[in-house]
Amino acid sequence: NAGVTQTPKFRILKIGQSMTLQCTQDMNHNYMYWYRQDPGMGLKLIYYSVGAGITDKGEVPNGYNVSRSTTEDFPLRLELAAPSQTSVYFCASSYLKGVAAYNEQFFGPGTRLTVL
Amino acid sequence: AQRVTQPEKLLSVFKGAPVELKCNYSYSGSPELFWYVQYSRQRLQLLLRHISRESIKGFTADLNKGETSFHLKKPFAQEEDSAMYYCALEGSQGNLIFGKGTKLSVKP
Repeated sequence: NAGVTQTPKFRILKIGQSMTLQCTQDMNHNYMYWYRQDPGMGLKLIYYSVGAGITDKGEVPNGYNVSRSTTEDFPLRLELAAPSQTSVYFCASSYLKGVAAYNEQFFGPGTRLTVL
Repeated sequence: AQRVTQPEKLLSVFKGAPVELKCNYSYSGSPELFWYVQYSRQRLQLLLRHISRESIKGFTADLNKGETSFHLKKPFAQEEDSAMYYCALEGSQGNLIFGKGTKLSVKP
């Protein structure tokens, strides 16, 4: 089991460029999440998905898009990169929601993105 | 508003000393609370959750609804406990609402 994998690990973008952050999990989890972590701050939810074909906005969705065509994959798309999107991005997955005894979120290693 | 506050950015103790990492939350209803830890060069991982009333690696955390707190405690800190610790609250979307984190440094 690889768990949650993310690519790339690091990326530098120029303002206005676009890119896709990849996230894959092999645990057959229904729920997947994208968070961003700015320096000195906690993680904030960008988008989440409760299953293939279903996505919804989190706290900070502006400037991002997601899709969930399979259970395993949950890519995050930045269309027009801006310096404010410089952050570390974490993907996470969990099996259940709302049942705290089982709702352990498993995190990927993160992608460090810099927009110049 | 749902919020988690960790008032200490950095906590430095000597090996063998007691440790308490503070966490306060704001939530209407019955909160589900967690502590996550990130060791150097490792990914974020669950340490413990309040509903399980468990002790992991000697750490415990008690939910105090009156004080809206979920402090993490360990009676005798070890050097391998040095890490970033995040308190988290389950949000309405199943996501986690994180505090800013506390860096624990245990000196020999």
